[in-house]
Amino acid sequence: KAGVTQTPRYLIKTRGQQVTLSCSPISGHRSVSWYQQTPGQGLQFLFEYFSETQRNKGNFPGRFSGRQFSNSRSEMNVSTLELGDSALYLCASSLRQGGYEQYFGPGTRLTVT
Amino acid sequence: QKEVEQNSGPLSVPEGAIASLNCTYSDRGSQSFFWYRQYSGKSPELIMSIYSNGDKEDGRFTAQLNKASQYVSLLIRDSQPSDSATYLCAVDTGRRALTFGSGTRLQVQP
Repeated sequence: KAGVTQTPRYLIKTRGQQVTLSCSPISGHRSVSWYQQTPGQGLQFLFEYFSETQRNKGNFPGRFSGRQFSNSRSEMNVSTLELGDSALYLCASSLRQGGYEQYFGPGTRLTVT
Repeated sequence: QKEVEQNSGPLSVPEGAIASLNCTYSDRGSQSFFWYRQYSGKSPELIMSIYSNGDKEDGRFTAQLNKASQYVSLLIRDSQPSDSATYLCAVDTGRRALTFGSGTRLQVQP
């Protein structure tokens, strides 16, 4: 069974721009969660989508948004990029909603200059 | 107090020894506990999940959970240099999302 895929793998953007990241979950998984990982803050939860609805949200500003499509694929958008948004963005898929076993994709490394 | 706490390490053990990784959590209502392994430059990989008190074994790995003490641990037997990685403890703190510890870096010396 294919794992979680994320595109693009690397991205360089300029402050003030916006970016869209994509995630395709494991086949049959309907939950997609997004995380931000930085050396200083570790892995921080952004939001979770299940059946095309946002079910949970972490403590991030409204510049961070997402959506999920009917095939469970998910996108995450960050608007008005700031230098502090430079991070590894990870998505994880799960069979069930909430705190259940989650399987991570390879991540998108975003650098904001 | 952080919701999920881990010693950052590095924890250094010789090849063939038992590595013991520890994690404490603050929410008594937590029900689900996970251990992830993350190699440098890679994404986290799920290696163990545990939901009830006691031990759960899978190959060289044993997860131990003590809800009364709010403590979960991971034992790696016969440690190999390939086990050198950062180990992340994750807990469902009742908010239906996983909260991760900052991770413990394990170094297995050949």
